[in-house]
Amino acid sequence: KNQVEQSPQSLIILEGKNCTLQCNYTVSPFSNLRWYKQDTGRGPVSLTIMTFSENTKSNGRYTATLDADTKQSSLHITASQLSDSASYICVVTAPGSGYNKLIFGAGTRLAVHP
Amino acid sequence: DAEITQSPRHKITETGRQVTLACHQTWNHNNMFWYRQDLGHGLRLIHYSYGVQDTNKGEVSDGYSVSRSNTEDLPLTLESAASSQTSVYFCASSEGTSGGNNEQFFGPGTRLTVL
Repeated sequence: KNQVEQSPQSLIILEGKNCTLQCNYTVSPFSNLRWYKQDTGRGPVSLTIMTFSENTKSNGRYTATLDADTKQSSLHITASQLSDSASYICVVTAPGSGYNKLIFGAGTRLAVHP
Repeated sequence: DAEITQSPRHKITETGRQVTLACHQTWNHNNMFWYRQDLGHGLRLIHYSYGVQDTNKGEVSDGYSVSRSNTEDLPLTLESAASSQTSVYFCASSEGTSGGNNEQFFGPGTRLTVL
């Protein structure tokens, strides 16, 4: 069964610190893997996208890595800011006939405290 | 600026009532999607559309219906609301044809409570 699992479920860090969020997936084959940021009360917004041939992608202080062999991805946040407080969702696209299915992880809820 | 909007943002209704949630996008995207988000679960696809007059069932479509009469709108109807349909509903859109790998842009969500 195609699944995306994220860890930890929640995380609290102090402003200025770094953190790494994990994503393990069993989707095969897959087209791409995205990380989304979802602020409270808002819809998800894409941070990064990687195809199976890419192993790292950066977007400012956010760096995503992908190991297609072990089916693992991580999102590293550098020098965290209060505005990084949000849920981070890992999404894997599985190609299919007629529809490319998006499989969403349950997300990691990050709280950055001053 | 192009955007995707949802209305209402919050809705409380009673079991058995018909409810319609609106979704409107101004990007002129072909593809539109409805998801529900429940605590502890990832977003789950309810229905999707690849263009006018095209609608398809997602993984959790029972009790929901959609119609696509124009490019901009994809309303979601709960025929007879049930307490199990209490959730946050997100509409999304993307460019391209037949879904593709293009980024989906999400609306702000509608929080629905069924009493």
